[in-house]
Amino acid sequence: AQSVTQPDIHITVSEGASLELRCNYSYGATPYLFWYVQSPGQGLQLLLKYFSGDTLVQGIKGFEAEFKRSQSSFNLRKPSVHWSDAAEYFCAVGAPGSSYKLIFGSGTRLLVRP
Amino acid sequence: DAGVIQSPRHEVTEMGQEVTLRCKPISGHNSLFWYRQTMMRGLELLIYFNNNVPIDDSGMPEDRFSAKMPNASFSTLKIQPSEPRDSAVYFCASSEGQGRNTEAFFGQGTRLTVV
Repeated sequence: AQSVTQPDIHITVSEGASLELRCNYSYGATPYLFWYVQSPGQGLQLLLKYFSGDTLVQGIKGFEAEFKRSQSSFNLRKPSVHWSDAAEYFCAVGAPGSSYKLIFGSGTRLLVRP
Repeated sequence: DAGVIQSPRHEVTEMGQEVTLRCKPISGHNSLFWYRQTMMRGLELLIYFNNNVPIDDSGMPEDRFSAKMPNASFSTLKIQPSEPRDSAVYFCASSEGQGRNTEAFFGQGTRLTVV
C-alpha cells in the first residue's frame, strides 16, 4: 500500500535562511509526487509535481523538489525563506493509473522567525 | 474564475442533525473530490466523481455520509445523522480530468463542528 511520511511536524527557520522539508514515500513503483501548501483557513495549493523525467522539479513561489528513487524521497527546498512562506506543507503520492487518489502525508508546519 | 466555492465556511450543529455541505467546482472541470481533514487522520479522500458519476466512494466512512453531483456545477456532501466525531474541515476540490497532467484545485473548506 502507498504511504507518505513527513517526519517533521514543525520546522522553524529564520527569514532568509534556506529550507528543506522532508518527504518519504512507500510505493512499489515510481509514483506521482506532489507538494501542496496550506495557509491558515485556506485550502491547499499545488506547489509542484513530479511524474517522470528530470528529477529536479521547479515549482511556484521559488520552491523546488528533488526525486531520489534510491531514498524513496521527494524533499522540498527553498534557498531563501520569506515570512509569507509560513504555512503547512503537505507531500502527497498518487499511483499512476489512478492518480486522482492522492495519499497525503501528515504535514509539516513551517514557522518563520523575523 | 472564482475557484472552487464551498458553503458554508463554518457550520455548527447539534448531534443527530442533518448537515449538508455544498460545492461549486471550477467551470469546465469534470473531476470533483471531497476530502476530510482532521488532526488525527490528516487529509482523507472521501469520494471522487468524474463527469458527475461517483467513481470511488471507498473513503466514505459510514452510511451516514452521502454525496451527490446532480450536474457539472454542483455537489453536496450530506451527513445524517451527524455525530461529534464528524467534526472536521471538509474540502472540495476539482480538476480538469484524470491522468498525469491534472491538478486539483481546492476550495477554502467548510469547518464542521458537531456538539
